[in-house]
Amino acid sequence: SQQGEEDPQALSIQEGENATMNCSYKTSINNLQWYRQNSGRGLVHLILIRSNEREKHSGRLRVTLDTSKKSSSLLITASRAADTASYFCATALVTGANSKLTFGKGITLSVRP
Amino acid sequence: GAVVSQHPSWVICKSGTSVKIECRSLDFQATTMFWYRQFPKQSLMLMATSNEGSKATYEQGVEKDKFLINHASLTLSTLTVTSAHPEDSSFYICSAREVQLGVYEQYFGPGTRLTVT
Repeated sequence: SQQGEEDPQALSIQEGENATMNCSYKTSINNLQWYRQNSGRGLVHLILIRSNEREKHSGRLRVTLDTSKKSSSLLITASRAADTASYFCATALVTGANSKLTFGKGITLSVRP
Repeated sequence: GAVVSQHPSWVICKSGTSVKIECRSLDFQATTMFWYRQFPKQSLMLMATSNEGSKATYEQGVEKDKFLINHASLTLSTLTVTSAHPEDSSFYICSAREVQLGVYEQYFGPGTRLTVT
């Protein structure tokens, strides 16, 4: 079964606004990752946050992680039309030499020019 | 950054035929590669994990005899969809893992769109 659950499922905003997407998960994790996928294309890795980190920044992206609530949020500031895509959170559980990524259902973000 | 390629990017085949999809890590060695399937507007579902030189580990519900995975080298894994049927039509994505600083980074290929007619 899928680990991550994002909300909202779809988000439509105006260019320049901030977009906040949330992800909840159920079990222990080693890290949580956010990916972007443009329609019909592969995944682009955006950011990884480890379980002992609470916040991480990368350019216009800010990710938070609350392991007590088993939730994460991805904030895209000053959104652009090019940010229109599907966004997925993926949780990683590392056991020994193995790790497995489990993806959430994804959020469809539309940024109106 | 690490690059993973897939070939072909799209393929159309007739029902009953077999299709092979290649996944290559171009600038790093990947001891582990993963194969995912994604239906339209849905998430990625892990099909199997393959380690170089050993048999793939399939997720529950994935038929190993239908989806043959070979990981013969540190840079190449192949997925063969045997006796394809229209319900196998999907977007297949591979990823390759590079161990870095103890955190396991996965790099994804661009995907292969399979249409079975």
